[in-house]
Amino acid sequence: AQSVTQLDSHVSVSEGTPVLLRCNYSSSYSPSLFWYVQHPNKGLQLLLKYTSAATLVKGINGFEAEFKKSETSFHLTKPSAHMSDAAEYFCVVSDPSGNEKLTFGTGTRLTIIP
Amino acid sequence: EAGVAQSPRYKIIEKRQSVAFWCNPISGHATLYWYQQILGQGPKLLIQFQNNGVVDDSQLPKDRFSAERLKGVDSTLKIQPAKLEDSAVYLCASSLGASPKETQYFGPGTRLLVL
Repeated sequence: AQSVTQLDSHVSVSEGTPVLLRCNYSSSYSPSLFWYVQHPNKGLQLLLKYTSAATLVKGINGFEAEFKKSETSFHLTKPSAHMSDAAEYFCVVSDPSGNEKLTFGTGTRLTIIP
Repeated sequence: EAGVAQSPRYKIIEKRQSVAFWCNPISGHATLYWYQQILGQGPKLLIQFQNNGVVDDSQLPKDRFSAERLKGVDSTLKIQPAKLEDSAVYLCASSLGASPKETQYFGPGTRLLVL
């Protein structure tokens, strides 16, 4: 069975400082991994995805994530936080053993301090 | 490009009543998904359609939930009768194909409150 664990339910950073949102996954096979962002009263939007190509994945709005198989991690980072980054972030896994359906983590709420 | 449309945006009903949600996917997207997102949790897949056929409904509570996608375009999700624990946001998503490598595009959701 596949699963993801988002290690922090809430992260606060000051504007202009780095962002790190942590995610560990469990999968029986080589998974596909995603990060989605959800702004208040808006739909989920794909930030980036890993599908067995380059392990460092670049996404929209300056975010990137690195797939580390040895650590079963897929942490999301951004060098400099912006006020508009305040939102809920979901780490998502998909693997063939789960019929390739998406399994979402519980989310990390990112707060940006002015 | 128009996104995924959902209606209504909000619904308040009493327990044991019925309710229906509507979704219009992005034009040309063959795959449509319904998710349930309970407060404080990530979305959970309820049902996946490929055109007008069901691919996965293993997590759909079939005693009270039903969904259809007639003509392989729009879809409706119905709850009858509703329970308190059905209070959640119901998200619709669509993608070109069924592979997870295909990006899923989400609608804004319908927020349901069951009293």
